[in-house]
Amino acid sequence: EAGVTQSPTHLIKTRGQQATLRCSPISGHTSVYWYQQALGLGLQFLLWYDEGEERNRGNFPPRFSGRQFPNYSSELNVNALELEDSALYLCASSLVAVEQYFGPGTRLTVT
Amino acid sequence: AQSVTQLDSHVSVSEGTPVLLRCNYSSSYSPSLFWYVQHPNKGLQLLLKYTSAATLVKGINGFEAEFKKSETSFHLTKPSAHMSDAAEYFCVVSDQILTGGGNKLTFGTGTQLKVEL
Repeated sequence: EAGVTQSPTHLIKTRGQQATLRCSPISGHTSVYWYQQALGLGLQFLLWYDEGEERNRGNFPPRFSGRQFPNYSSELNVNALELEDSALYLCASSLVAVEQYFGPGTRLTVT
Repeated sequence: AQSVTQLDSHVSVSEGTPVLLRCNYSSSYSPSLFWYVQHPNKGLQLLLKYTSAATLVKGINGFEAEFKKSETSFHLTKPSAHMSDAAEYFCVVSDQILTGGGNKLTFGTGTQLKVEL
């Protein structure tokens, strides 16, 4: 069974630009969670999508947004990039169980 | 509110010796608890989970953890460390249902495990 996949592996952007990160959940999983792992800040919950809808978001500004497609894959968009957005962005998928299964992450570097 | 405290930011052991990574949690409800491992430049891998069944939980790669409600602890152990165990380990608690039914995971700050020859 294929795990959670994320693309791209690395992304380098300039301050003020937009970044788009993608996630494909485990087959059959309907929920996708996004987390930010920034240096010194640990893992922070960003967004939760389920059945195509944004269900909840963490304490992040509106320039962090995304969507979930009918096939349950998801996209995270970060607008007006700031230097402090540099981080590893992790996507996790889940079905109805509590545990979440993580992808390998996208390393976003903002210069 | 839920929280997790990992008591050691770095642990160093010799190969073949026992591993103990300590975790204390705070939870308003009956929590689910997890240990995840992250190897360098990789995502998080689920090692084991506790969801109110047996208090001694066995995971992958010989790891296990014991849920102790009276001590609010969920320490991770392994009888004999291997070089491949060198990684960062995260203790995670989930007791908060997000609006809409999802589960909020709260992560500890991580323990870096170093295994020496």
